[in-house]
Amino acid sequence: QKEVEQNSGPLSVPEGAIASLNCTYSDRGSQSFFWYRQYSGKSPELIMSIYSNGDKEDGRFTAQLNKASQYVSLLIRDSQPSDSATYLCAVKGSNYQLIWGAGTKLIIKP
Amino acid sequence: GAVVSQHPSWVICKSGTSVKIECRSLDFQATTMFWYRQFPKQSLMLMATSNEGSKATYEQGVEKDKFLINHASLTLSTLTVTSAHPEDSSFYICSASQQELIGYTFGSGTRLTVV
Repeated sequence: QKEVEQNSGPLSVPEGAIASLNCTYSDRGSQSFFWYRQYSGKSPELIMSIYSNGDKEDGRFTAQLNKASQYVSLLIRDSQPSDSATYLCAVKGSNYQLIWGAGTKLIIKP
Repeated sequence: GAVVSQHPSWVICKSGTSVKIECRSLDFQATTMFWYRQFPKQSLMLMATSNEGSKATYEQGVEKDKFLINHASLTLSTLTVTSAHPEDSSFYICSASQQELIGYTFGSGTRLTVV
C-alpha cells in the first residue's frame, strides 16, 4: 500500500514567521511531488511541484525534496493570515493518479 | 494556464433523484480526469479515474452503478449520482490531467445536498 504521511496539525505559526510543513512517502520509485493548498469549502489549488532533489523556490514558497530519505517539505516565509489553510501533499503514482496525504492544517496567528 | 470548469457549484436534490455534474477542461485536452469526494474535515477520496473513450476505473468500495462516469470527449467528463440519498451529500471535485503535463488542475467543486 503506497502511502503519504502528513502531520494533521493544527500547526500554529506567528505572522511573519516561517511555516514548515513536512510529508513522507513510502514508494521509493516516486518521481513527482506536489503541494496543494485548500481553503475550507474550496477545492485544492496547486502551490508547488517538485521533481528533483533539492530546493525549488517560488516567491514566499520553497519546496524541498529528499528522495533518499523519502520526504518532501514546504516552507512558507513571511507567513500571512491568508496562508491559513490545509496543505495537502500529493505524490504521483501509477496511472497518473495522485496519492494524497491527509493534509496539515496551518493557522497563522496575527 | 490550464483551467477546469465544474458545474454546478452547488445543487440540492430530493432523495431518489439523479444529479449530473460536469467537468470541462477549457484550454487543454484532458486525456485523464479524476473524480473525488470529500466529506467535511476529511481528506480527498478518489472515486474513479476516467480516460477519454474508455470505461472509468472505480476505486474499491465505490459503486459504479450509482456513480456513472462518462468521458466522451477530451474536454468533458460527467459524473451522475443516481438515486441519490442523504448519505451521498458531499463535496465532489474533478481534476484533469493532460498526458504531456505533469500537473493536475482541479475544478471548483460541487457541493451536493440530498434532502
